[in-house]
Amino acid sequence: GDSVTQKEGLVTLTEGLPVMLNCTYQTIYSNAFLFWYVHYLNESPRLLLKSSTDNKRTEHQGFHATLHKSSSSFHLQKSSAQLSDSALYYCALYNTNTGKLTFGDGTVLTVKP
Amino acid sequence: AQTIHQWPVAEIKAVGSPLSLGCTIKGKSSPNLYWYWQATGGTLQQLFYSITVGQVESVVQLNLSASRPKDDQFILSTEKLLLSHSGFYLCAWSLYREDQDTQYFGPGTRLLVL
Repeated sequence: GDSVTQKEGLVTLTEGLPVMLNCTYQTIYSNAFLFWYVHYLNESPRLLLKSSTDNKRTEHQGFHATLHKSSSSFHLQKSSAQLSDSALYYCALYNTNTGKLTFGDGTVLTVKP
Repeated sequence: AQTIHQWPVAEIKAVGSPLSLGCTIKGKSSPNLYWYWQATGGTLQQLFYSITVGQVESVVQLNLSASRPKDDQFILSTEKLLLSHSGFYLCAWSLYREDQDTQYFGPGTRLLVL
């Protein structure tokens, strides 16, 4: 079946430094959608980015990610972290053939002053 | 605008007792509906999905059941809770057909089974 790997469970960095959260995936299907969801404490997870186009950068709220099908990756990046970015970030894979959304384990990002 | 409501917000239940969690979607007709579960320290797992009233597909077996009695309502239940049912339950919706890849989540229900 499909799988999503987020190798960092916890990332702590200082405000102003760049952010990179890793996401790799496995699926036998070529037409996968990849997502980043952000989950702030006491709120619902909400969509941050999504992409299904190979090698196309997608951006939202200062974050960006590029789907690379050759390496099965969809890393989340931001040039300068803000305190308000502290949250749980999920990478997820949507399989258009099965309709199933598969989540990674999530990465807790903590930004300190 | 569409809204998604889950109830209860949180619950503490005894092992062996019944459970019913609810989810309603307002502002969208005939959405796809989903139930997810997250154990403490675990990842989100899709439990059930439904594309129409009365039709529910199971994705993961956890001794839970789901029903869709109305177009805008999705119910998760069990007759006998286990300790392992503790966790965070999320309901989500997506559009039927177009843009169905994108799911929108409710606020969730925290369940503690003792």
